[in-house]
Amino acid sequence: DTGVSQDPRHKITKRGQNVTFRCDPISEHNRLYWYRQTLGQGPEFLTYFQNEAQLEKSRLLSDRFSAERPKGSFSTLEIQRTEQGDSAMYLCASRPADGSSYNEQFFGPGTRLTVL
Amino acid sequence: KNEVEQSPQNLTAQEGEFITINCSYSVGISALHWLQQHPGGGIVSLFMLSSGKKKHGRLIATINIQEKHSSLHITASHPRDSAVYICAVLVSNQFYFGTGTSLTVIP
Repeated sequence: DTGVSQDPRHKITKRGQNVTFRCDPISEHNRLYWYRQTLGQGPEFLTYFQNEAQLEKSRLLSDRFSAERPKGSFSTLEIQRTEQGDSAMYLCASRPADGSSYNEQFFGPGTRLTVL
Repeated sequence: KNEVEQSPQNLTAQEGEFITINCSYSVGISALHWLQQHPGGGIVSLFMLSSGKKKHGRLIATINIQEKHSSLHITASHPRDSAVYICAVLVSNQFYFGTGTSLTVIP
């Protein structure tokens, strides 16, 4: 296993279009996180899955954003009717599930979204 | 207001210098995570700790839960250490991040 992977790595879209990103976590990790990062800022939490259940969702997240993890493995993040303010790096991270708070999260390379 | 504050925001050091990056937080946490982010965006986990001190090579991380403060130290700094160092705290399965400290080590 080579770690967390994300696809695509870069996405350029026009305002108003829908985009979908995919994250494949490390296979034995049942916890999966989506973050958004803009220039000069730390990652900002978007949503969290444990297996296929979406347990947390940021209150800042517009209803244009939706995420799924249908079989508890890969996850998708969809942004509908994109706006220029959605331009950012979208990061996925996964964590193992044994309940210890020592379990660090492992990040994917990110998907850089540019909305024109 | 960010629950996690890092200092300094930017740091330039000469190769070989001892470097300290600080992280303070205002909430009760389960653990604290130090991360390294290189240009291009890739984030690498350095340490996750909830008490005491951890060491890996030239990197040392300490945490004082009572004072809600953690430090990341780099001994004998090298230009390849140049990156953004990010502190994140774990609160109820959710991570909150600082804005990062941008480190440049000059040969």
